[in-house]
Amino acid sequence: AQSVTQLDSHVSVSEGTPVLLRCNYSSSYSPSLFWYVQHPNKGLQLLLKYTSAATLVKGINGFEAEFKKSETSFHLTKPSAHMSDAAEYFCVVSERDTGRRALTFGSGTRLQVQP
Amino acid sequence: DVKVTQSSRYLVKRTGEKVFLECVQDMDHENMFWYRQDPGLGLRLIYFSYDVKMKEKGDIPEGYSVSREKKERFSLILESASTNQTSMYLCASRLTGGGMNQPGGYTFGSGTRLTVV
Repeated sequence: AQSVTQLDSHVSVSEGTPVLLRCNYSSSYSPSLFWYVQHPNKGLQLLLKYTSAATLVKGINGFEAEFKKSETSFHLTKPSAHMSDAAEYFCVVSERDTGRRALTFGSGTRLQVQP
Repeated sequence: DVKVTQSSRYLVKRTGEKVFLECVQDMDHENMFWYRQDPGLGLRLIYFSYDVKMKEKGDIPEGYSVSREKKERFSLILESASTNQTSMYLCASRLTGGGMNQPGGYTFGSGTRLTVV
């Protein structure tokens, strides 16, 4: 069985400061991990994904995430927040060895960026 | 550009009505999924289909059924709508196997916001 825990439901940062969105996962198999972003009234957009290559994954818009197997974590970071980063972020896991299996989503973290 | 299209952006239905939510993809994907999204709960899987006429229950299938008669279309059915089914419904699709290594892997529709009154 697979599950995802996003440790913060809301995160507020000032523009230009670093962003950290925390995610822990549980998986019986080698997981694939994703971060998706959803802007208000918009669809889900893939930020980045980890599928067993490099543990530090770079995504779009300056985001990156590091897969740490020992800590079962996949935290999302960005060095400097922009106002346009305000959105809801979802950490997602999928078990690669069960090819048909669907994605399991975390409960989401709403990021606010203050001017 | 690849697309997953959900036929309605907003729907308002009455309690007890039979409701159909339609999803069409143009990517020849085998796998299709229905999720519902609720504040504080993220997206939860209702049903998925890995081929035509094949379906499997997800995590919250109660009160829902699905139909996959053609590869490109996956319908979610609320047999008798209830107020606790008021939610945002998202459809997604992906290729089997190779989908995980493709950019994005999964493609999501823009969602149908259903209100049951």
